[in-house]
Amino acid sequence: DGGITQSPKYLFRKEGQNVTLSCEQNLNHDAMYWYRQDPGQGLRLIYYSQIVNDFQKGDIAEGYSVSREKKESFPLTVTSAQKNPTAFYLCASTTGGRNTIYFGEGSWLTVV
Amino acid sequence: DAKTTQPPSMDCAEGRAANLPCNHSTISGNEYVYWYRQIHSQGPQYIIHGLKNNETNEMASLIITEDRKSSTLILPHATLRDTAVYYCIVRVAPQTGTASKLTFGTGTRLQVTL
Repeated sequence: DGGITQSPKYLFRKEGQNVTLSCEQNLNHDAMYWYRQDPGQGLRLIYYSQIVNDFQKGDIAEGYSVSREKKESFPLTVTSAQKNPTAFYLCASTTGGRNTIYFGEGSWLTVV
Repeated sequence: DAKTTQPPSMDCAEGRAANLPCNHSTISGNEYVYWYRQIHSQGPQYIIHGLKNNETNEMASLIITEDRKSSTLILPHATLRDTAVYYCIVRVAPQTGTASKLTFGTGTRLQVTL
């Protein structure tokens, strides 16, 4: 079945360590997105990419980095510069036109 | 993409219709209205979308006003499993190979009760 796979589902890290969240899609979608969600809050856009080797900052990109070396993969690195990284992270993808946006099941990151 | 405004919360009795409003007064002519819902911090689930005509599918109906400045999502017979946060977003339908900046608001928390 086609879809978006995020891993890991749950991740614990010590403060000061970088961590990379994986997002893979087999939908042949061009555009991919990363969102952050804090408890009881809406989704905030971190980064998005429209094509391989190209990406743009969203509304809260500071302390995060991404890469888009392959069409199907869009990993997110939470760096030590991110002051409050504990959150729920969601990856999404879509094609052009008026097609719907598909989401992964999310990754919970806890930094202690 | 245009900004949307939704009430923070709503209640609905099970079996009754749930009508969730969304204001998007700055919507452009080429922007679609999309509705998603999120249950228990899972990935948001697509519900329905439309441009200017009313739309209906197996999950819900979407009513868009003639001036397109607001819309209403209707769940005709709400059940307890419809308890979720509902997001209304507007987006341009980009050409293939391009991406639009998708911005979600805080949504409406719908509580369906017995």
